[in-house]
Amino acid sequence: GQNIDQPTEMTATEGAIVQINCTYQTSGFNGLFWYQQHAGEAPTFLSYNVLDGLEEKGRFSSFLSRSKGYSYLLLKELQMKDSASYLCAVRGNQAGTALIFGKGTTLSVSS
Amino acid sequence: GAGVSQTPSNKVTEKGKYVELRCDPISGHTALYWYRQSLGQGPEFLIYFQGTGAADDSGLPNDRFFAVRPEGSVSTLKIQRTERGDSAVYLCASSSGTHEQYFGPGTRLTVT
Repeated sequence: GQNIDQPTEMTATEGAIVQINCTYQTSGFNGLFWYQQHAGEAPTFLSYNVLDGLEEKGRFSSFLSRSKGYSYLLLKELQMKDSASYLCAVRGNQAGTALIFGKGTTLSVSS
Repeated sequence: GAGVSQTPSNKVTEKGKYVELRCDPISGHTALYWYRQSLGQGPEFLIYFQGTGAADDSGLPNDRFFAVRPEGSVSTLKIQRTERGDSAVYLCASSSGTHEQYFGPGTRLTVT
């Protein structure tokens, strides 16, 4: 079966660092994606990992361990606008195939 | 440039009616995806087009759901005999074949 797990909710304060974990069990793997989704809006792409290791992009970094079926999204220097849902998604065996999404982690950033 | 657009943004219909939801992908994107998202859940895959053909329709829940992309650009998702359980946000995404899928704003469907 296909299963992607991530925490339902997290809270943090402005300026802090938060790590959102994602574990997955899928029948195929050709990349892991993180999307940000503000309430009532479309998901927007944050990061992509296909090889093990850390990908850094500004305040956001994403890590992948394929052997452990594990990823995390690291958000640094949190801002109020980072309050959103963060979706972990896995792509199957072939490039271009659909994404399998987790339920999302709702992050609330307070001042 | 223009992103993915979807119309209508909101649709309220009565149980048993037929609805059509439209998606305009980013120009030149050959891949088009339909997902639906219920409250508190991640997007759930419905169907994927590569060009004009449905490359994978394994996510369509039953034969009341159908989608077309006749000219390889605009796509229409069609739902017959709507049920209250069909209420959700229907998201469309397109891709040029590289990594990212770009999502539209969605159509919020409410079946009363």
